[in-house]
Amino acid sequence: EDQVTQSPEALRLQEGESSSLNCSYTVSGLRGLFWYRQDPGKGPEFLFTLYSAGEEKEKERLKATLTKKESFLHITAPKPEDSATYLCAVQEGGFKTIFGAGTRLFVKA
Amino acid sequence: GAGVSQSPRYKVAKRGQDVALRCDPISGHVSLFWYQQALGQGPEFLTYFQNEAQLDKSGLPSDRFFAERPEGSVSTLKIQRTQQEDSAVYLCASSLPTGVGNTIYFGEGSWLTVV
Repeated sequence: EDQVTQSPEALRLQEGESSSLNCSYTVSGLRGLFWYRQDPGKGPEFLFTLYSAGEEKEKERLKATLTKKESFLHITAPKPEDSATYLCAVQEGGFKTIFGAGTRLFVKA
Repeated sequence: GAGVSQSPRYKVAKRGQDVALRCDPISGHVSLFWYQQALGQGPEFLTYFQNEAQLDKSGLPSDRFFAERPEGSVSTLKIQRTQQEDSAVYLCASSLPTGVGNTIYFGEGSWLTVV
């Protein structure tokens, strides 16, 4: 069965304290891995798409990487406004995009 | 429009009442998805349309849930005889024709509370 597991469930950081979020997946044929940010009361906001192992993408303080079994979202020198839930999702051979439960990130000033 | 638009944003329904949730996808997006998101969880797939054709409804939790997209644009998710367990956020998303990792873009969601 296709699965997406994110860890940790919650992460508390001090402002400026870099860290990484993990997304491990098991799918039969990966077509794309997505990272989304979700603020309370809002829909998921697209961040990155990764297609193949070894690929990396960056946006401001965020960098996403992909291996054959997992993806990492690295957050460098986070700020309080980076506080949100970060969702990982994978698209397999068909059209279904399967989401993990998310990591809730809290950044304290 | 510029983004996926959903209405109503908030709905309180009495148990047993029927509700209808509307989604207006991004212009030109032929693929449309409905997801259900419970508190503290990731979105769970409900159903998928390509234009007006409903190609997968395997995620609909019961026959009380029904979705349509008659003209290949706006979609409606209908829930009949609502139950308390139906309380959740219902997210609509759209994308270009499904292909290699086409990104899906979400609306803000419709928050349903059944009392």
